[in-house]
Amino acid sequence: DTGVSQDPRHKITKRGQNVTFRCDPISEHNRLYWYRQTLGQGPEFLTYFQNEAQLEKSRLLSDRFSAERPKGSFSTLEIQRTEQGDSAMYLCASSLGQGVYEQYFGPGTRLTVT
Amino acid sequence: AQTVTQSQPEMSVQEAETVTLSCTYDTSESDYYLFWYKQPPSRQMILVIRQEAYKQQNATENRFSVNFQKAAKSFSLKISDSQLGDAAMYFCAYEGSNYKLTFGKGTLLTVNP
Repeated sequence: DTGVSQDPRHKITKRGQNVTFRCDPISEHNRLYWYRQTLGQGPEFLTYFQNEAQLEKSRLLSDRFSAERPKGSFSTLEIQRTEQGDSAMYLCASSLGQGVYEQYFGPGTRLTVT
Repeated sequence: AQTVTQSQPEMSVQEAETVTLSCTYDTSESDYYLFWYKQPPSRQMILVIRQEAYKQQNATENRFSVNFQKAAKSFSLKISDSQLGDAAMYFCAYEGSNYKLTFGKGTLLTVNP
């Protein structure tokens, strides 16, 4: 396995449109995380899954954001009715479950809302 | 809530020299982990080094070592024999009982030839 992959790498959309990002974790990893990184800042936690269960969501994640991880494999992050403030890098990470393990990050999806 | 502070937005070092990046954190937990991640320009984040809070011995990974002061809640990264490939944004991060990472704002390291 070559690591965490994310698709697309870049997305430009107009305000008000819906967008969906995909993350494929390392195959044996049970945990999958989504973070958001804006320019000049460190990544901020959005949500995470243990297998298919979404265990925690940040208050940063408004009702316009939804994430899924069907069958505990890949995950999707959807943003509805995008706003300019949603422009950021969306990072996915995965790790082994049970306890604290290193999180392996994907290359990210850069979203630009015009 | 946990917070992580990196007080140096930018640092520079001469190739082959040593540089230390600072990080402080705040937490009420006694058991946690600390990490330094490296994010090269336009490339993905990779783990540099990790430290378990219950371990008194400072972690080392080749040219990278940490100075972990639990009482002071300080976790600095020392890079020895700096190389051009070390140039990147470095993030200090905390992970506690909720298994999510809290990052600092980062320190941009420039390595001068």
